[in-house]
Amino acid sequence: DVKVTQSSRYLVKRTGEKVFLECVQDMDHENMFWYRQDPGLGLRLIYFSYDVKMKEKGDIPEGYSVSREKKERFSLILESASTNQTSMYLCASSRDNYNEQFFGPGTRLTVL
Amino acid sequence: AQSVAQPEDQVNVAEGNPLTVKCTYSVSGNPYLFWYVQYPNRGLQFLLKYITGDNLVKGSYGFEAEFNKSQTSFHLKKPSALVSDSALYFCAVRDNTGRRALTFGSGTRLQVQP
Repeated sequence: DVKVTQSSRYLVKRTGEKVFLECVQDMDHENMFWYRQDPGLGLRLIYFSYDVKMKEKGDIPEGYSVSREKKERFSLILESASTNQTSMYLCASSRDNYNEQFFGPGTRLTVL
Repeated sequence: AQSVAQPEDQVNVAEGNPLTVKCTYSVSGNPYLFWYVQYPNRGLQFLLKYITGDNLVKGSYGFEAEFNKSQTSFHLKKPSALVSDSALYFCAVRDNTGRRALTFGSGTRLQVQP
């Protein structure tokens, strides 16, 4: 089974802090994704990566950056956390563009 | 551009009755369609997908979905609902010409009453 792990289940940070969310997949998938999930809004794509060191902006990239130095790891960075970034963050990976995405358990981030 | 609409925030059904969760989509080219389920405090789990071929797709846990090109719909169905099916369901789409990533609907909460 594909396993996607995220570094934290729950995280509490203060406004202005730099926040790192880590995601690791163990199935040699090409594509990796970061979403945020908010009630009534579904999942919104922040960034995705289709290869090492390659990235593309999603629908809501403002205030976020990403890093993919190794194939199995995809990091989401909040340069200066703000209260409107309080959300559930979901990481996913997929083998290619035709197959399903596998999701991690999520990180619930609270910014105070 | 690609988009997905799930017109119902919540669907209520009695255990043993058939259930339908609706999804309509808009894409430029041919659609790749997916359904996912999310149980409380969990990540999303893949249920089924339509890429090409038979319009009726069967998936996990007894779920199926019917692709209807003329109505641009991909409704999720199950003949007999279980209480354990209560969860949040997401439809997602991407087209075969544009962006690599999926676009998700806003989700439909399914409540199955005993």
